Amino acid sequence: DIVLTQSPALAVSLGQRATISCRASQSVSTSSYNLMHWYQQKPGEQPKLLIYDASNLASGIPVRFSGSGSGTDFTLTINPVQADDIATYYCQQSRELPLTFGSGTKLEIK
Amino acid sequence: QVTLKESGPGMLQPSKTLSLTCSFSGFSLSTSGMVVSWIRQPSGKSLEWLAAIDWDGDKYYNPSLKSRLTVSKDTSNTQVFLKITSVDIADTATYYCARRPGSGVFDYWGQGVMVTVSS
Repeated sequence: DIVLTQSPALAVSLGQRATISCRASQSVSTSSYNLMHWYQQKPGEQPKLLIYDASNLASGIPVRFSGSGSGTDFTLTINPVQADDIATYYCQQSRELPLTFGSGTKLEIK
Repeated sequence: QVTLKESGPGMLQPSKTLSLTCSFSGFSLSTSGMVVSWIRQPSGKSLEWLAAIDWDGDKYYNPSLKSRLTVSKDTSNTQVFLKITSVDIADTATYYCARRPGSGVFDYWGQGVMVTVSS
């Protein structure tokens, strides 16, 4: 299985930039696609798709969210962070089955 | 508008079989490339992909649980089911169904159903 590693938590000040990383145990990129995706989950709610294929913004997601990366290293950036962004963020790979998720990064306000 | 909703027993005893239903609307599972997956999340923990069924009826399972899982769909392509046999306390979780429209992403999720395994 492809293991996705995320830092457990990140504290940032409102209005600042948050950078959340995800490292895969093997490449999740093909010649055409970077098969890493990002979700936001608030307490008591289902996950919500933010970014697909590493850098594409999902429908209805604010432009302060962006994604980058290829191969094994990926980043979700939130800039500027707003109070509504307090949540846990998960990466997920679709390079191979079984589909796997990272352990999640909890975004906290400093 | 795409919606998915999970339903299940809420609580069941160890060693029993868990039966879950995902009822959805706003899309057709008969559309080429469409997939519905099951994902679970123990309280305070991360997400675990369990199983999926696609538009053609092909089924996919997480190898770690494959022997205990059965995914199926109804003939009208409006419901997907998941059975987990021989449940244990470790199967206590919120179970989600989610749509995968031909890509690897889950673009719509149900609200989840909490299942507790307890004697």
